Amino acid sequence: DAKTTQPPSMDCAEGRAANLPCNHSTISGNEYVYWYRQIHSQGPQYIIHGLKNNETNEMASLIITEDRKSSTLILPHATLRDTAVYYCIVSARGGSNYKLTFGKGTLLTVNP
Amino acid sequence: DVKVTQSSRYLVKRTGEKVFLECVQDMDHENMFWYRQDPGLGLRLIYFSYDVKMKEKGDIPEGYSVSREKKERFSLILESASTNQTSMYLCASKTSGRADNEQFFGPGTRLTVL
Repeated sequence: DAKTTQPPSMDCAEGRAANLPCNHSTISGNEYVYWYRQIHSQGPQYIIHGLKNNETNEMASLIITEDRKSSTLILPHATLRDTAVYYCIVSARGGSNYKLTFGKGTLLTVNP
Repeated sequence: DVKVTQSSRYLVKRTGEKVFLECVQDMDHENMFWYRQDPGLGLRLIYFSYDVKMKEKGDIPEGYSVSREKKERFSLILESASTNQTSMYLCASKTSGRADNEQFFGPGTRLTVL
């Protein structure tokens, strides 16, 4: 049972910002929003996570709406190596069960 | 640099064989996970372990068992491989020192059961 909804695919020009949306309208108060990506034939890679404040790290920025029902992952200057499937995941903090439920994600294709 | 390694990238086995998939992490993480990934189904959790000799079933444990004798190593065992276990198997680890869910994944093992 998917808790997030993402577009199946998106395109972006190299050097431009890539904005990947995610809907998580049933998110509960103790759940964080996580973003992972998976480059072809590799294991998933953690990108960023947040609760309600916007977050930024060396890879990306995460913008979460005030009602927390949706978020956007921003890759500020996409490169060809950013072509991957991007997964938006909601997961509760704490406890011994840190299961990550990956949906189908968004295939981002960065074009030259 | 953190690292999760898996014993094989590609593996071909025959139906009924016993299969061992090994995962090793060098980050002193307490938690380790085995997932399988299939087209259209995403990643599904098979088993996880939050300490040495401890294990818990994930969403699809049937047909699998696990072993965690040392902190750095988590093994997935297919007692009698079947063709429906043909899949990509991914191992991950996570520290208990943080309450968030940043998991580090290995490169995966693509298993084909003939």
